[in-house]
Amino acid sequence: TQLLEQSPQFLSIQEGENLTVYCNSSSVFSSLQWYRQEPGEGPVLLVTVVTGGEVKKLKRLTFQFGDARKDSSLHITAAQPGDTGLYLCVVPGGGGSNYKLTFGKGTLLTVNP
Amino acid sequence: KAGVTQTPRYLIKTRGQQVTLSCSPISGHRSVSWYQQTPGQGLQFLFEYFSETQRNKGNFPGRFSGRQFSNSRSEMNVSTLELGDSALYLCASSFLGGGSYEQYFGPGTRLTVT
Repeated sequence: TQLLEQSPQFLSIQEGENLTVYCNSSSVFSSLQWYRQEPGEGPVLLVTVVTGGEVKKLKRLTFQFGDARKDSSLHITAAQPGDTGLYLCVVPGGGGSNYKLTFGKGTLLTVNP
Repeated sequence: KAGVTQTPRYLIKTRGQQVTLSCSPISGHRSVSWYQQTPGQGLQFLFEYFSETQRNKGNFPGRFSGRQFSNSRSEMNVSTLELGDSALYLCASSFLGGGSYEQYFGPGTRLTVT
């Protein structure tokens, strides 16, 4: 069983459309991070959320941490081809250790011009 | 400040061989973690080193090992390669380690086992 379930797994949209991707779990987390991985590169941290109900904005990206700190969403407004990449939901710990990150399998987003 | 570097970027090996991958963290970072990324399993934690000590290990067989040097550079070794070891191996560094700290990833080493 995956600790983090991300949906959808794949998403292909046209430039200018809006989209939302989700990260869900049955566990409660002290914090949650979103990373983006572009082709041929390693993941890059986009945001860390720590408070239930927290909303953070990064230009056209809006991140929300669920009230119960079990889930999160990422909304992109007016998507651009440069937003193409693998969006990964990440939590610290897992398997009884704090010294690791546990990743969801990601949402692969393709924005077509 | 230079980012995390990994060498080599691409590697092709034959079943049964062994391989060593190298990672140079960001200057000043003492924690280095290794992850395996495959299409089926996503990113999975291999191990983390801090000040030359392995602090944590993921659920991988003993064929996967690593070490960290006094300058924080790290290597991972995979012995007796299997086809299923084909993956992107990512190294990440952070100042103190631990899940709450931002980890900076290198571009990865793409290993293909034939």
